[in-house]
Amino acid sequence: DQQVKQNSPSLSVQEGRISILNCDYTNSMFDYFLWYKKYPAEGPTFLISISSIKDKNEDGRFTVFLNKSAKHLSLHIVPSQPGDSAVYFCAGGGGGADGLTFGKGTHLIIQP
Amino acid sequence: DAGVIQSPRHEVTEMGQEVTLRCKPISGHDYLFWYRQTMMRGLELLIYFNNNVPIDDSGMPEDRFSAKMPNASFSTLKIQPSEPRDSAVYFCASSLVRTRNTIYFGEGSWLTVV
Repeated sequence: DQQVKQNSPSLSVQEGRISILNCDYTNSMFDYFLWYKKYPAEGPTFLISISSIKDKNEDGRFTVFLNKSAKHLSLHIVPSQPGDSAVYFCAGGGGGADGLTFGKGTHLIIQP
Repeated sequence: DAGVIQSPRHEVTEMGQEVTLRCKPISGHDYLFWYRQTMMRGLELLIYFNNNVPIDDSGMPEDRFSAKMPNASFSTLKIQPSEPRDSAVYFCASSLVRTRNTIYFGEGSWLTVV
């Protein structure tokens, strides 16, 4: 049973517009959540995180929102740029366990 | 500073052969993780070590898989015998204990078993 779910395998957005990537989780023990970005033939790299006691964290063009009651988080990218085209993984961690539990990823395609 | 280093980057092997994947974590990191990426299951945690000691290997799919960390700067993931369904990208990652919510990945080892 997947504890972290990314239900959209892919998302296509026009350059300059907002990209919204969604993630749902079932493990209420997670203390924090992260987004990782992955380009082809490279390893995932850390993008942004949020503690479970917060509902928003912003870093430049990237903002992560957390809705604990809905067990849902989202990543907003504004404005979207061609270099944002990548696979984005949502992950949960903590709750007494080490390591991160990842979703299956969403392939974001930014169209010119 | 060098990141997590994995080898080989690509491996093609025949079913039944032994496969050994290698990893050098970032110097000073206390945790080392092995993940596997497939289309069906995304990124799965296979096993992780803390200070060279295996902590949780519940993600290792079968007894054909084994992992070791003989010292702080080296780890191996071995598959013996390999099967076509083991074809995937295997990632090694490491982190500092105080920031273990942020882990750093290597570039991955792309395994194809034919």
